[in-house]
Amino acid sequence: QLQLQESGPRLVKPSETLSLTCTVSGGSISSSSYYWGWMRQPPGKGLEWIGTIYYGGNTGSTYYHPSLKSRVTMSVDTSKNQFSLNLSSVTAADTAVYYCASPDQSDTLDVWGQGTTVTVSS
Amino acid sequence: EIVMTQSPATLSVSPGERATLSCRASQSVSSKLAWYQQKPGQAPRLLIYGASTRATGIPVRFSGSGSGTEFTLTISSLQSEDFAVYYCQQYNNWPAGTFGQGTKVEIK
Repeated sequence: QLQLQESGPRLVKPSETLSLTCTVSGGSISSSSYYWGWMRQPPGKGLEWIGTIYYGGNTGSTYYHPSLKSRVTMSVDTSKNQFSLNLSSVTAADTAVYYCASPDQSDTLDVWGQGTTVTVSS
Repeated sequence: EIVMTQSPATLSVSPGERATLSCRASQSVSSKLAWYQQKPGQAPRLLIYGASTRATGIPVRFSGSGSGTEFTLTISSLQSEDFAVYYCQQYNNWPAGTFGQGTKVEIK
């Protein structure tokens, strides 16, 4: 059964880059779901889709939320069975719980990591 | 961007009663609609996808209906573990997707 686990710094300074990794277990990132996504949830607020990377046939395609597109980069590391999120030029508005998620037994996000809280503060 | 609007924001229900949650899309999303349950400090849990298909392991008291722009999640008889926040998500333009703002189901 597919499982996901986020990791990365919990505190990031304003204007710097937020970098998170999602480790995939119970399946291979290059032969399982193919779609690997990131979501976030600011304190006390709802969920926001950040972006998704599709990886298949040793190539990847990325899809980003229009409002974040200029600051987001996603990638896959097949050797580590991980995918990652980079969000540049962060501000306090980027403070949130960040989740990685993927489809496994459905056509949408049915496997989620536990989430990691990232605070943007000096 | 497709905007998802959920109502009501808060629903007060007694255990054993029926709960009906609504979700409206700003344009048609066909049947590409999912419902998630989220409890405090936990990740969202997929309940329903394809507007009406229960995800693996989800109890039969959860049911979804609708298509196009109007969707409903029904919990037939609320159990104590069902008090949570529920989000709808459209994924008609997969892999992009937008979530509603959530409905909190609280104990009456």
